[in-house]
Amino acid sequence: DAEITQSPRHKITETGRQVTLACHQTWNHNNMFWYRQDLGHGLRLIHYSYGVQDTNKGEVSDGYSVSRSNTEDLPLTLESAASSQTSVYFCASRPGTGGHEQYFGPGTRLTVT
Amino acid sequence: RKEVEQDPGPFNVPEGATVAFNCTYSNSASQSFFWYRQDCRKEPKLLMSVYSSGNEDGRFTAQLNRASQYISLLIRDSKLSDSATYLCVVNNGLTGANNLFFGTGTRLTVIP
Repeated sequence: DAEITQSPRHKITETGRQVTLACHQTWNHNNMFWYRQDLGHGLRLIHYSYGVQDTNKGEVSDGYSVSRSNTEDLPLTLESAASSQTSVYFCASRPGTGGHEQYFGPGTRLTVT
Repeated sequence: RKEVEQDPGPFNVPEGATVAFNCTYSNSASQSFFWYRQDCRKEPKLLMSVYSSGNEDGRFTAQLNRASQYISLLIRDSKLSDSATYLCVVNNGLTGANNLFFGTGTRLTVIP
C-alpha cells in the first residue's frame, strides 16, 4: 500500500548541530509539506513543495531548509539546531489536483538539548 | 488574530453522551472546511469535510455557518474510541496547495 514515512521517529540532538529529518511518500503526490506542532499552537507550516525542484517558505521557516530532488522525498534540515526547535514534526502530502485532504506521516519527535 | 480558533477543552463526557465542538475562522474568503482527528502521539487524519448544507457521517454531524464564520462538530452516542483531539481546519480561499490552517484542537475524553 502507498504510504508516507518519516525517519527518525525520535531524535535528540545538541544545540548548534545540523539535523536532517527524512520524509518519503509512495503516492506520487506532487505537493509535500512540513509542519511543526507545539502545545498551544496548531500545526504550523514550515516549508512546502509543489513538485521537483520547487520549494517555498511557510509561516515558520527561519532556521529550516528543504530540498526536492525527486517526487518521493522532502527532507527537512535544521541548519543549526536551537532549543526553540524542540517540537514534533509532521510531513504531509496531497495530490496536485483536486481535494484538500493532506495525508500525514507518523511524525518525528525532536529534542534539542 | 488566529486564522482558526477552537475551545481547547478538555471535554470529559460519559459514554453515550452527545458532545459538540465549535470553531471560528477569521477569513471570510475561506472556501473549504474540515475536521481532522488526532490520537495521542499520532498523526492527524481527516475525519470529515464540512459542506455548506451540513453533513452527517454516522454518529458525526458537521455544520457550517458562513455568516458567523463558525463550524461545529456534533458527536452522538460517544464511544470510548472517540477519545482524541479534534482539529478544525480551514483553507484561506486562495488557490495553491499551501492554504490550510489548523486550529489548536479540542481534546475529548470519553469516560466509561
